[in-house]
Amino acid sequence: AQKVTQAQTEISVVEKEDVTLDCVYETRDTTYYLFWYKQPPSGELVFLIRRNSFDEQNEISGRYSWNFQKSTSSFNFTITASQVVDSAVYFCALTTAYDGTASKLTFGTGTRLQVTL
Amino acid sequence: EPEVTQTPSHQVTQMGQEVILRCVPISNHLYFYWYRQILGQKVEFLVSFYNNEISEKSEIFDDQFSVERPDGSNFTLKIRSTKLEDSAMYFCASQRKGAFEQYFGPGTRLTVT
Repeated sequence: AQKVTQAQTEISVVEKEDVTLDCVYETRDTTYYLFWYKQPPSGELVFLIRRNSFDEQNEISGRYSWNFQKSTSSFNFTITASQVVDSAVYFCALTTAYDGTASKLTFGTGTRLQVTL
Repeated sequence: EPEVTQTPSHQVTQMGQEVILRCVPISNHLYFYWYRQILGQKVEFLVSFYNNEISEKSEIFDDQFSVERPDGSNFTLKIRSTKLEDSAMYFCASQRKGAFEQYFGPGTRLTVT
């Protein structure tokens, strides 16, 4: 069985602060994929990043960075110099798909990030 | 940029009525999914669909639910006899073959009264 845990229910920061959203996952598969999705107040789910289990390189995209550590089964997401537009619910998700198959995403419970002026 | 679309954006129905939620996946995608999100809760998998058949379904997806790809573009979710607890946001997602990220539609908010 797969499980994704996002222990932080809600985080409030002041604009320009850095913030890290935690994600811990469980799976018995050796090949898996991790994702972060953003759900702004308008409700849609926006894909942010995918990480493969065999690639532990961290990734940076503008103000966003992701830290994948297999040893601790964690895939944390950091927003540097947060902005009000970053206010949203962020979901971490996991799948153990194989090429050529459809495979469900297992989502965490989400972390609501509130960025204020 | 191509995107997944869903109609209607909001559906209000009475308990016991049938509803059909519609989705148009991204055109070159081959895997299709339905998820639901009860207000304030996490996103839950309902069903996956590939090659005109269900690949996997969750325990939520009981006999009251069905999916169909009636033509080359639409992907529908039908709930035969809605219950109050079916009230949720329903998301359609699609995925390209060889990729693993799923792209979500804007959702349909279903309210059962």
